[in-house]
Amino acid sequence: DADVTQTPRNRITKTGKRIMLECSQTKGHDRMYWYRQDPGLGLRLIYYSFDVKDINKGEISDGYSVSRQAQAKFSLSLESAIPNQTALYFCATSLSWGGANSGANVLTFGAGSRLTVL
Amino acid sequence: DQQVKQNSPSLSVQEGRISILNCDYTNSMFDYFLWYKKYPAEGPTFLISISSIKDKNEDGRFTVFLNKSAKHLSLHIVPSQPGDSAVYFCAVLVGHRKLIWGLGTSLAVNP
Repeated sequence: DADVTQTPRNRITKTGKRIMLECSQTKGHDRMYWYRQDPGLGLRLIYYSFDVKDINKGEISDGYSVSRQAQAKFSLSLESAIPNQTALYFCATSLSWGGANSGANVLTFGAGSRLTVL
Repeated sequence: DQQVKQNSPSLSVQEGRISILNCDYTNSMFDYFLWYKKYPAEGPTFLISISSIKDKNEDGRFTVFLNKSAKHLSLHIVPSQPGDSAVYFCAVLVGHRKLIWGLGTSLAVNP
């Protein structure tokens, strides 16, 4: 089983629909992240959470919300999807910071969720 | 403005030769750098990292070089293998809280 599992892997939806992407991890990591990848724009951070009670906006949080239901679960919601939210979405996890060589800054990624908004 | 730049969107190399992927950054305060590799239909996976107290870090066929005065780092793969064909991302750790990513370089290693 994968350490970081994303569901669904693929989703096609219509403009205005509510969509939830789910992420669960078995790494025991405190930190979880949502990124989106677009051609020519690389990976951009949407939201991140350092523990269940610590949620932070990333670079491009508008139009998205998140919920950290448990240490192992972090979901991303699009309340009213629009076509420019069509992208590949990645969930990632990491340990808490413990110094430059602690490995805490190494992210473990899920396989991605491809979302198409028509 | 991009703080982490990978100016070559793609690179093609013959099997057995050296692959050199480059990354430039803008802020001299950045002090921890990582390389990730991504295959199609998979998430990025960590490859190698380097902190600013070093100028070189090696792991098997992969070596990362850091030139702080030039604000430049490079990833060397020697010898290159067809299985190395992937997109390579350079990333910088900022404030112990988040990574800033380059746009990636697509490496093709030809048999």
